[in-house]
Amino acid sequence: DAMVIQNPRYQVTQFGKPVTLSCSQTLNHNVMYWYQQKSSQAPKLLFHYYDKDFNNEADTPDNFQSRRPNTSFCFLDIRSPGLGDAAMYLCATSRDVGLGETQYFGPGTRLLVL
Amino acid sequence: AQTVTQSQPEMSVQEAETVTLSCTYDTSESDYYLFWYKQPPSRQMILVIRQEAYKQQNATENRFSVNFQKAAKSFSLKISDSQLGDAAMYFCAYRSRISGAGSYQLTFGKGTKLSVIP
Repeated sequence: DAMVIQNPRYQVTQFGKPVTLSCSQTLNHNVMYWYQQKSSQAPKLLFHYYDKDFNNEADTPDNFQSRRPNTSFCFLDIRSPGLGDAAMYLCATSRDVGLGETQYFGPGTRLLVL
Repeated sequence: AQTVTQSQPEMSVQEAETVTLSCTYDTSESDYYLFWYKQPPSRQMILVIRQEAYKQQNATENRFSVNFQKAAKSFSLKISDSQLGDAAMYFCAYRSRISGAGSYQLTFGKGTKLSVIP
């Protein structure tokens, strides 16, 4: 089945130690998104790629970066994780960036910062 | 800025009964979409139903239907004949063009946790 895959499902890192979360998709969608979802809060968009074009949300901290080496893969790099970065990170895709486009989500990676 | 409000952090429903989840939003846009997403425990978020703002007819998908009141900026989700598999977090979301930009933004509410009682 076509889907959005996130690895790992759970990630533990140490305060200040760089960590990378990965996302892959078999939907061949043009757009990939990264959201941060803290406990009992709404998902918050960090950035998205339309093909190779990177779009950063204005309030996304510089500590967060992303790479999309090809259509199928997208990575979220957290350069120096702080305790406040512990959250669920959701990857999503959409075929295009149109107003009514459905986003397809992965199961998420839960990040714990010690 | 657009905001989406889900006033019910938690709700419960008896199996086979009907439940309605509330959502209100604030916008000055005339062209937008509204969505309900379902996030089961430890599983990915999936689209339940969506509504185009310019369509007056309420969207329906099997047991799921919406009551879209554009003037009141209300977008509630009705689940009929509730099943155990409906237990999940439900997020209301709004998508419109970002003012002054060529891109669109999807804004989520904080979610409503629905429990289904056997």
